[in-house]
Amino acid sequence: ETGVTQSPTHLIKTRGQQVTLRCSSQSGHNTVSWYQQALGQGPQFIFQYYREEENGRGNFPPRFSGLQFPNYSSELNVNALELDDSALYLCASSSGGLGANEKLFFGSGTQLSVL
Amino acid sequence: TQLLEQSPQFLSIQEGENLTVYCNSSSVFSSLQWYRQEPGEGPVLLVTVVTGGEVKKLKRLTFQFGDARKDSSLHITAAQPGDTGLYLCAGAYTGTASKLTFGTGTRLQVTL
Repeated sequence: ETGVTQSPTHLIKTRGQQVTLRCSSQSGHNTVSWYQQALGQGPQFIFQYYREEENGRGNFPPRFSGLQFPNYSSELNVNALELDDSALYLCASSSGGLGANEKLFFGSGTQLSVL
Repeated sequence: TQLLEQSPQFLSIQEGENLTVYCNSSSVFSSLQWYRQEPGEGPVLLVTVVTGGEVKKLKRLTFQFGDARKDSSLHITAAQPGDTGLYLCAGAYTGTASKLTFGTGTRLQVTL
């Protein structure tokens, strides 16, 4: 148990729809990062939020957006879903330090299928 | 685009065998982490290596960071079925320890 919870666990959408995924961070963590893990690949960094502000973004289009709330929980929104968006979406929380030993705690992910 | 290449991609061995997983990149990282991921779960951190040439041991697992901080290896001694899973290396650049670049992954299966 990492203390990071994600919902829903599974989701099926059709192309063109919009989706919102949710993440509850580990207690005391002010930083949340989102990753996309396609089948058979390693996770890819989408973006990070630190104290409710976006703090870095990977190579993902603007239709991927996020929010972080005052309680440090977070949402990932994806608009105009495409088939290639089908993947496991992982949320990771951390304490916000910049040191090399900063630890990420991952949730179990949301498996999104786009038909 | 995965900047970290892992080899092998798949490994199926019997209990008691030794194995090594490699993680290679053309980029220099300030630190490198190794994770294990089981089906239906998120990755779980095993170790972080920071200094070039650093070696860390975690029970039967030995991790090494290359001298130039571009590559790393994971060696498992006397593998057990409980070691089965997806092993991922992940590099971080200076000041971005929580924004990781993950490798392609090595799927390990250990059978009795």
